[in-house]
Amino acid sequence: GAVVSQHPSRVICKSGTSVKIECRSLDFQATTMFWYRQFPKQSLMLMATSNEGSKATYEQGVEKDKFLINHASLTLSTLTVTSAHPEDSSFYICSASGRAGNTIYFGEGSWLTVV
Amino acid sequence: LAKTTQPISMDSYEGQEVNITCSHNNIATNDYITWYQQFPSQGPRFIIQGYKTKVTNEVASLFIPADRKSSTLSLPRVSLSDTAVYYCLVGESNTGKLIFGQGTTLQVKP
Repeated sequence: GAVVSQHPSRVICKSGTSVKIECRSLDFQATTMFWYRQFPKQSLMLMATSNEGSKATYEQGVEKDKFLINHASLTLSTLTVTSAHPEDSSFYICSASGRAGNTIYFGEGSWLTVV
Repeated sequence: LAKTTQPISMDSYEGQEVNITCSHNNIATNDYITWYQQFPSQGPRFIIQGYKTKVTNEVASLFIPADRKSSTLSLPRVSLSDTAVYYCLVGESNTGKLIFGQGTTLQVKP
């Protein structure tokens, strides 16, 4: 079946630095990718919609200048957490929609710890 | 986007059939219903998807009544490894945008 892969699976960074998380669709072209954040024992919260070749659409309350999203190709979207702070520590998950659009597949998730 | 409502938690025993019902009263005509399973520290895993009536695959069945305002995920003969959070999602079929509700935490006991 379709596979979505994220990298890195875990990352620790110092407060004030930036960190990039990659999301790749391995066996299909993803015209749209989505980024979610999940805190422990909570549900996934949609952060933004990443569209290939155009600007991302952010959900209300999500700072677009802090969470930079780039979807430069049909198989790769990146989320960069800029000037990270401890409160940004969370589990970040991406999902991808193929051209058919009906079934969404999720990546394995990336744990970000800001110290 | 259609909002979904599920029981927060359910308990079951190994070997039993588990049915989790989700309500989505505001489902749009073009929306599909998809169920995902999530284990701790992992991304959600696709279980099954349907539009109407019944869908069955190797791991589950999905029952959708004619009005599509609810759906029921049926897991036959659950095992301990089925302990997880199950999410019912109704998505925009043209964009794939999914909004997660609380999900149902299923605890399977020996």
